[in-house]
Amino acid sequence: GAGVSQSPSNKVTEKGKDVELRCDPISGHTALYWYRQSLGQGLEFLIYFQGNSAPDKSGLPSDRFSAERTGGSVSTLTIQRTQQEDSAVYLCASSLRTGIRTDTQYFGPGTRLTVL
Amino acid sequence: KQEVTQIPAALSVPEGENLVLNCSFTDSAIYNLQWFRQDPGKGLTSLLLIQSSQREQTSGRLNASLDKSSGRSTLYIAASQPGDSATYLCAVVRLISNFGNEKLTFGTGTRLTIIP
Repeated sequence: GAGVSQSPSNKVTEKGKDVELRCDPISGHTALYWYRQSLGQGLEFLIYFQGNSAPDKSGLPSDRFSAERTGGSVSTLTIQRTQQEDSAVYLCASSLRTGIRTDTQYFGPGTRLTVL
Repeated sequence: KQEVTQIPAALSVPEGENLVLNCSFTDSAIYNLQWFRQDPGKGLTSLLLIQSSQREQTSGRLNASLDKSSGRSTLYIAASQPGDSATYLCAVVRLISNFGNEKLTFGTGTRLTIIP
């Protein structure tokens, strides 16, 4: 079946502009994660959605970052007033939860964000 | 705070050799550990997932082991091929609450080059 998809694949924006990144998880996956991979810094967790539970926002670096997941499926990560340090690859992942057990996280191809 | 370290940061071996990649983590209270590969400019591909109750997992030429008490995991690649060249990442999940708020904490990665 189809994997995790993300759009756009590349985004170039000017400092101070807002951007929206989209993630379509694998159908039926109840858990959705956003991560960020910055040059020279590795992967860091941003936010986690599980079903109808309140999201875990503990990884969001500032209040300029927010995310929504509508209808338990598609998610949008929004960055307001972008800064140059926001430049990174933003990765989305989804997984299937069965009770308390979580399956493998499957990653999308990422969105490369460049803030000029 | 969980810290995940991978050694070496880079490794080059001739084709056909067997090799071991190492991953260590500071907090042994993990739920599972996952190995990924990342090809340049692409997203993450899951290779193996080891639940905390397991000692190892095998898939084809790959074998991953887990020793929770010592905070270590290894990824063994047998009969290496040029197509194995990629960055390999290990990641651990720590169960935070009964709701299973889980996030991956990633290692720093090992960049593997297989020399034809």
